[in-house]
Amino acid sequence: DGGITQSPKYLFRKEGQNVTLSCEQNLNHDAMYWYRQDPGQGLRLIYYSQIVNDFQKGDIAEGYSVSREKKESFPLTVTSAQKNPTAFYLCASINLNTEAFFGQGTRLTVV
Amino acid sequence: AQSVTQLDSHVSVSEGTPVLLRCNYSSSYSPSLFWYVQHPNKGLQLLLKYTSAATLVKGINGFEAEFKKSETSFHLTKPSAHMSDAAEYFCVVSDAKRGGFKTIFGAGTRLFVKA
Repeated sequence: DGGITQSPKYLFRKEGQNVTLSCEQNLNHDAMYWYRQDPGQGLRLIYYSQIVNDFQKGDIAEGYSVSREKKESFPLTVTSAQKNPTAFYLCASINLNTEAFFGQGTRLTVV
Repeated sequence: AQSVTQLDSHVSVSEGTPVLLRCNYSSSYSPSLFWYVQHPNKGLQLLLKYTSAATLVKGINGFEAEFKKSETSFHLTKPSAHMSDAAEYFCVVSDAKRGGFKTIFGAGTRLFVKA
């Protein structure tokens, strides 16, 4: 079955560490997105990619980095420059005029 | 610039009364518009979508939304609220831009349903 997979489901990071969240899809979608969701807030766009080897900053890109070497994969790195990384992270793959398909999310906690 | 504004962060209704969740958007082109629902500790579920066909869109669970280009609105309605409708609702705009498209979520509206 086609779908989108995020891993891990839970992730703990020490202060000053970089961590990478995985997102893989086999829906053959060109576009992939990373959103951050905080309690009581909506989904805020971190980065998105329309095609392989290309990506754009969203509204809250500072402290994050991405790569898009393959159509199926769009990993997100939370760097030590991100001052408040504890949040729920959602990856989505979308084609224009169709619904977004979401992964199950990764809950990142700084310890 | 593309944006989406959900006008109410919280809406409270009594069971059996109508629901109105308001959404305004700005877009440079002809957007696609969506409403998603997120129940506590659950993922996002598509309620309905508008993609330049009929302006009145019917979705799941009795929800519907009307695309009004002159008002740049896409409000979500339901004639009679049920307790199970209590959740967070997101209005989403997906718009073409150079090289592809961009999808933006509203901040969300939390719906409370009183018995």
